[in-house]
Amino acid sequence: NAGVTQTPKFQVLKTGQSMTLQCAQDMNHEYMSWYRQDPGMGLRLIHYSVGAGITDQGEVPNGYNVSRSTTEDFPLRLLSAAPSQTSVYFCASSYAGPGNTGELFFGEGSRLTVL
Amino acid sequence: GQQLNQSPQSMFIQEGEDVSMNCTSSSIFNTWLWYKQDPGEGPVLLIALYKAGELTSNGRLTAQFGITRKDSFLNISASIPSDVGIYFCAGHSSAGSARQLTFGSGTQLTVLP
Repeated sequence: NAGVTQTPKFQVLKTGQSMTLQCAQDMNHEYMSWYRQDPGMGLRLIHYSVGAGITDQGEVPNGYNVSRSTTEDFPLRLLSAAPSQTSVYFCASSYAGPGNTGELFFGEGSRLTVL
Repeated sequence: GQQLNQSPQSMFIQEGEDVSMNCTSSSIFNTWLWYKQDPGEGPVLLIALYKAGELTSNGRLTAQFGITRKDSFLNISASIPSDVGIYFCAGHSSAGSARQLTFGSGTQLTVLP
């Protein structure tokens, strides 16, 4: 019953530090994505992937990198953290084949604070 | 890009009252989805709507896909304390590469005993 697993759940960084948020799903979903959640702004798409080896930018991609070497994993990298990247990050996945409805399955979130 | 306007931003209601929230869009969507986020958790799907005009119920929840395909509403009847959380609408468009969902800004619901 793992679904979408994110690590770490909490992280504090100093400005300029780098880190990777991990995301893994065990549902064999082709589509995976990263969102950030900020007060009053809902969920904004950072990057997404429609399959292994394929990634694309979402609404707010600057400052973040992603890769998709396997179907299961979709890590999000912050190369040089900035205070504006303080947020709660959610990884989500969905079935992307014929008849897909867009329903996303979310992880529990990773709360990042950049000092 | 596509934008969703969700209202109200927050609601404080008495237990047992009914709740209504809605979303409007500048673009047409093929699917409307309503999610709920409990504190400290990720959003979980409540209801999905696939056709214009569709009215769907899930227990005390009722949602409708607007005829114009640019709006949707969610009603919660006879609210209970566990209804507390943030409710998000989301639209899905299959146009081009826009397979991703566009989310509203959320409605924070507080249920007072």
